[in-house]
Amino acid sequence: NAGVMQNPRHLVRRRGQEARLRCSPMKGHSHVYWYRQLPEEGLKFMVYLQKENIIDESGMPKERFSAEFPKEGPSILRIQQVVRGDSAAYFCASSPGYNQEQAFFGQGTRLTVV
Amino acid sequence: DAKTTQPNSMESNEEEPVHLPCNHSTISGTDYIHWYRQLPSQGPEYVIHGLTSNVNNRMASLAIAEDRKSSTLILHRATLRDAAVYYCMLKSQGGSEKLVFGKGMKLTVNP
Repeated sequence: NAGVMQNPRHLVRRRGQEARLRCSPMKGHSHVYWYRQLPEEGLKFMVYLQKENIIDESGMPKERFSAEFPKEGPSILRIQQVVRGDSAAYFCASSPGYNQEQAFFGQGTRLTVV
Repeated sequence: DAKTTQPNSMESNEEEPVHLPCNHSTISGTDYIHWYRQLPSQGPEYVIHGLTSNVNNRMASLAIAEDRKSSTLILHRATLRDAAVYYCMLKSQGGSEKLVFGKGMKLTVNP
């Protein structure tokens, strides 16, 4: 059973471009969470999704950021018109959805905006 | 989400036991205590979780105070690979299922 797969591992974008980060959850997991980690800081929750539904987006910036988890395929975190402050590591986690089951994290996508 | 407090950092020696404390004085009756850790340049990984009773698994033990206002993660024999940032978090039984990370505690293991 493969773990949570995130791609790309490293992504470089110029200011104003779009960044698309992909997350394939573990097999059988229907819950996906996205976190952002700025250099030397802790993980900040962004969004929690179940298949085709956004459950909690309280940590998402109001503009330029969106997330989806379609019925088929990976979850996508999309950042439009990137700025230097978006440079960070973005981690995805998945869980089976039972309340206290552990979450499994991917290795992250390190976004650098130049 | 209820808050936890941890020391900023701790040091230990290889092959010795390590006790990592966590205070959660505002914990509610349905909050579970979860521990994750993050090794350098990696995603977080689950360590252990519990509600009231002490818990053991292959990675660590979790000792929970009787009043549940504090807990201690115990690494029985620290190795260099245990050097990481450790996060103690509370997760409510109902409501949102997200994990809320604090600043965590950096554990240094000396050879």
